[in-house]
Amino acid sequence: QKEVEQDPGPLSVPEGAIVSLNCTYSNSAFQYFMWYRQYSRKGPELLMYTYSSGNKEDGRFTAQVDKSSKYISLFIRDSQPSDSATYLCAMTTNAGKSTFGDGTTLTVKP
Amino acid sequence: DARVTQTPRHKVTEMGQEVTMRCQPILGHNTVFWYRQTMMQGLELLAYFRNRAPLDDSGMPKDRFSAEMPDATLATLKIQPSEPRDSAVYFCASGLEENGGYTFGSGTRLTVV
Repeated sequence: QKEVEQDPGPLSVPEGAIVSLNCTYSNSAFQYFMWYRQYSRKGPELLMYTYSSGNKEDGRFTAQVDKSSKYISLFIRDSQPSDSATYLCAMTTNAGKSTFGDGTTLTVKP
Repeated sequence: DARVTQTPRHKVTEMGQEVTMRCQPILGHNTVFWYRQTMMQGLELLAYFRNRAPLDDSGMPKDRFSAEMPDATLATLKIQPSEPRDSAVYFCASGLEENGGYTFGSGTRLTVV
């Protein structure tokens, strides 16, 4: 079993929809949680970073962490065609070692 | 915008040849990572450095891969000899906080034939 499991997708939604992307993890040593966005043939780009349970909001993006359930989510409100990309969750231990999910490919249709 | 610079962007080589990939991290970042991305395995951590010292290279096949940071502005990843199964996109990333988010380069797309 992988340490980080990400909902595989792909996901296709109409413009303006609310998108929910999810990851679960099994390693209690993970303390830091990130979401990256990756466009085709580009490197991953950091979207959100948090280290505590709860919600963190940045514009149309909300990252949610539930450490007791070992579950993290990324919500995208008012989704736009420019949000079409692969979204990767990542988790890091105190030792600085990160593990990535396999990614969920999102398509937002105009 | 500060960016992580990787060279070359693309590399096609024959099996058995040596491959060297280079990375210039963002000035001031103290942590540098090498990742490999394939469709089958996703993003895999190969090695990482903190303040130029190697911290963990357990994800790297030691018989053929080596990673170094000869100075704060350059990280290298070498494969010798290369094999077709090494074909992948290799990313370098750098960060200021070991446990925080990192900035990725655009990657080196390696094809070994």
